[in-house]
Amino acid sequence: AQTVTQSQPEMSVQEAETVTLSCTYDTSESDYYLFWYKQPPSRQMILVIRQEAYKQQNATENRFSVNFQKAAKSFSLKISDSQLGDAAMYFCAYRSASSDYKLSFGAGTTVTVRA
Amino acid sequence: KAGVTQTPRYLIKTRGQQVTLSCSPISGHRSVSWYQQTPGQGLQFLFEYFSETQRNKGNFPGRFSGRQFSNSRSEMNVSTLELGDSALYLCASSSRLGALGEQFFGPGTRLTVL
Repeated sequence: AQTVTQSQPEMSVQEAETVTLSCTYDTSESDYYLFWYKQPPSRQMILVIRQEAYKQQNATENRFSVNFQKAAKSFSLKISDSQLGDAAMYFCAYRSASSDYKLSFGAGTTVTVRA
Repeated sequence: KAGVTQTPRYLIKTRGQQVTLSCSPISGHRSVSWYQQTPGQGLQFLFEYFSETQRNKGNFPGRFSGRQFSNSRSEMNVSTLELGDSALYLCASSSRLGALGEQFFGPGTRLTVL
């Protein structure tokens, strides 16, 4: 079974600054997908960014980017120019590309943004 | 396009009762997955349905069951409720089965078991 670990329960960032959330995972597969989801206090989970394991290039979505280190099984999320609306719980998730397709989530990191 | 809807949004039940939660996926989506979210266990996968067939199942007891109808709407049932079943139950829909199918989540149903 795949295990996803987020070692930072909480992170705080000043508005306009940058924060990096860490995520590591354990898998014996070579083909998989990694995701970062955001869950604001309203509880609607939304996809922030996705990375295919076969792609070496790190994914970027506006102010959100990832640092994907396949050999180290590490998948961190960088939020640049943080905004008040970025305050939420962030979940790292793993999904196999070849076997069952369930999402395995990490425990989450709560991000607070200071004005 | 309307998003994923879940009903009811809040539910209070007592131990031993059973409950049915409903999920309506985004129009055209045929895959529906269910997740349980608790402070202690985090987000855990329950099951996934595609074209009315259960395609994948998580490690939950048989008290948790589900089904999907021909219009892709899905229901999840929990029988003989226990206190530990109190959780936020999230439903997610996808246009396709498999890893590439991006999952769109609903707002969840908050179940409280007294």
